[in-house]
Amino acid sequence: RKEVEQDPGPFNVPEGATVAFNCTYSNSASQSFFWYRQDCRKEPKLLMSVYSSGNEDGRFTAQLNRASQYISLLIRDSKLSDSATYLCVVKGSQGNLIFGKGTKLSVKP
Amino acid sequence: DAGITQSPRHKVTETGTPVTLRCHQTENHRYMYWYRQDPGHGLRLIHYSYGVKDTDKGEVSDGYSVSRSKTEDFLLTLESATSSQTSVYFCAISEEVGRGRRETQYFGPGTRLLVL
Repeated sequence: RKEVEQDPGPFNVPEGATVAFNCTYSNSASQSFFWYRQDCRKEPKLLMSVYSSGNEDGRFTAQLNRASQYISLLIRDSKLSDSATYLCVVKGSQGNLIFGKGTKLSVKP
Repeated sequence: DAGITQSPRHKVTETGTPVTLRCHQTENHRYMYWYRQDPGHGLRLIHYSYGVKDTDKGEVSDGYSVSRSKTEDFLLTLESATSSQTSVYFCAISEEVGRGRRETQYFGPGTRLLVL
């Protein structure tokens, strides 16, 4: 089983739609979780950390289910500017980040 | 802006030649990382550093070496480049952010390397 797995997509949605991304991780001892966003030919940028109680930042909501080793990201009211690849990230034992391969989102007018 | 720059931003080289990539940070962070990103693999850790002259291997370290003689600079060297090392290389630094001292990483703009 890969350490961090994501549906690669692409997800093609209209503006204003709600879209959800899911991610599973294999190491039950993992403590830190993040979502990064990567635009085409750019570096990954931190979107938000994921806390055990779930957390929200504007239109973005992240959830963590430790029992199922499952992380989710919900985007409400999608904008054209949300088009990007979303990377699920888990902190590894060396302090490095373990990245999923990413889920591509395309928001259409 | 985490103050990370990478040089060169693009490089084309030939198989068998040595290549050095530079990562420079302006904010005195202790931890620095080198990743490569390839289609179908996502980002993978090559080497990392936890201080001046303190480095360790990551997941895909074969064929790469690193050096950190100053806090602000972390160098990645391909001693004898191969076509399989054609990739996008990202440097990252880490800092503590948010509640609970969660550690996250910030990335430089990347270096696109083509080995012919």
